[in-house]
Amino acid sequence: GAVVSQHPSRVICKSGTSVKIECRSLDFQATTMFWYRQFPKKSLMLMATSNEGSKATYEQGVEKDKFLINHASLTLSTLTVTSAHPEDSSFYICSARDALAVQETQYFGPGTRLLVL
Amino acid sequence: KQEVTQIPAALSVPEGENLVLNCSFTDSAIYNLQWFRQDPGKGLTSLLLIQSSQREQTSGRLNASLDKSSGRSTLYIAASQPGDSATYLCAVNLSGSARQLTFGSGTQLTVLP
Repeated sequence: GAVVSQHPSRVICKSGTSVKIECRSLDFQATTMFWYRQFPKKSLMLMATSNEGSKATYEQGVEKDKFLINHASLTLSTLTVTSAHPEDSSFYICSARDALAVQETQYFGPGTRLLVL
Repeated sequence: KQEVTQIPAALSVPEGENLVLNCSFTDSAIYNLQWFRQDPGKGLTSLLLIQSSQREQTSGRLNASLDKSSGRSTLYIAASQPGDSATYLCAVNLSGSARQLTFGSGTQLTVLP
């Protein structure tokens, strides 16, 4: 099946620094990728929709200047958490839609655990 | 706004039992519904996808049903095994939207050996 990777799998950073998370579709092209955030024992909350070659669409309450999204190619989207604070600590998951797939299936990455000290 | 609810939040069963996980949604105008599995600290694995025109989907020991009119879906797991222990999430894909998923909060399943 289709594979989506995320890098890094886990990261620890100091408060005030920026962290970049990569999401790659390994064997298919994704015109659309999605970024989710998940708190412990909670469901996934959509943060933004990343569209290749255009600006991301952010969900209500998500600061676009804090969570920078770039989707520069059909296989890569990046999420940068700028000036990270401890409350940004969370599990970040991306997903990608296969542009050529018949079914509307999203393939999820393994997630990135962010801990801000 | 679409809301997705999963009951129970946690379930513990002995190995070999058949079990049912429930998912309900408030807006019946969905494009499709998916069931996912999530292991601790891991990403999501898609188990079954049901299109809005379908009533059920089966894969091995898993069977998912969909009743759009009542806003309900069930995931049936037959002959449960300890390896089935995980959190099961259902998610609905809204019609006419940018194909975004709205997730339930999940059911944490533990199958005891």
